[in-house]
Amino acid sequence: NAGVMQNPRHLVRRRGQEARLRCSPMKGHSHVYWYRQLPEEGLKFMVYLQKENIIDESGMPKERFSAEFPKEGPSILRIQQVVRGDSAAYFCASSPVGQARTDTQYFGPGTRLTVL
Amino acid sequence: DAKTTQPPSMDCAEGRAANLPCNHSTISGNEYVYWYRQIHSQGPQYIIHGLKNNETNEMASLIITEDRKSSTLILPHATLRDTAVYYCIVRRDSGAGSYQLTFGKGTKLSVIP
Repeated sequence: NAGVMQNPRHLVRRRGQEARLRCSPMKGHSHVYWYRQLPEEGLKFMVYLQKENIIDESGMPKERFSAEFPKEGPSILRIQQVVRGDSAAYFCASSPVGQARTDTQYFGPGTRLTVL
Repeated sequence: DAKTTQPPSMDCAEGRAANLPCNHSTISGNEYVYWYRQIHSQGPQYIIHGLKNNETNEMASLIITEDRKSSTLILPHATLRDTAVYYCIVRRDSGAGSYQLTFGKGTKLSVIP
């Protein structure tokens, strides 16, 4: 059973460009979570999605960031007009159920975004 | 979610048991204790979780005190590959926001040959 897959693993963008990060959850998982880890810091929750629905985006910056999890295909975290402060590791996690008791999240390897 | 307190770093000799403590004195009755680890900037790896009883799996054991104010993660025979940052996370079992994992600074465990 393949784990959570993320691509690309490394992404370099110049200021003002767009970044698209993809996440394919584990087989059988329909809940996806995105976290961001700035250098030398812990992971911070960004957004929680189910298929075709955003459940909680309270951790997302108000501008330039968006996320989706379409009926078919991976979840995508999109960052428009990137700035140097967006440089970070972005991790995706998935779980089978969501808010149910002890629903464990399993993480992917992350995408490391570098903004020049 | 309840805040957790962990020592910033620990050393452990290879082959010995690694005991990683975590304080969560404000934990509520419906909050679970989760442990994850992150090896050299890889994605966090789930280790174990528990509510009030001690738990054991193929990776580790989790000992939770009777008053639930603290817990200890035990790696019975540490290897060099266990060198990582270990995060203790308290999480509600249901309800709004229960899915948000709050990662602190964790404990950097160094396993020494």
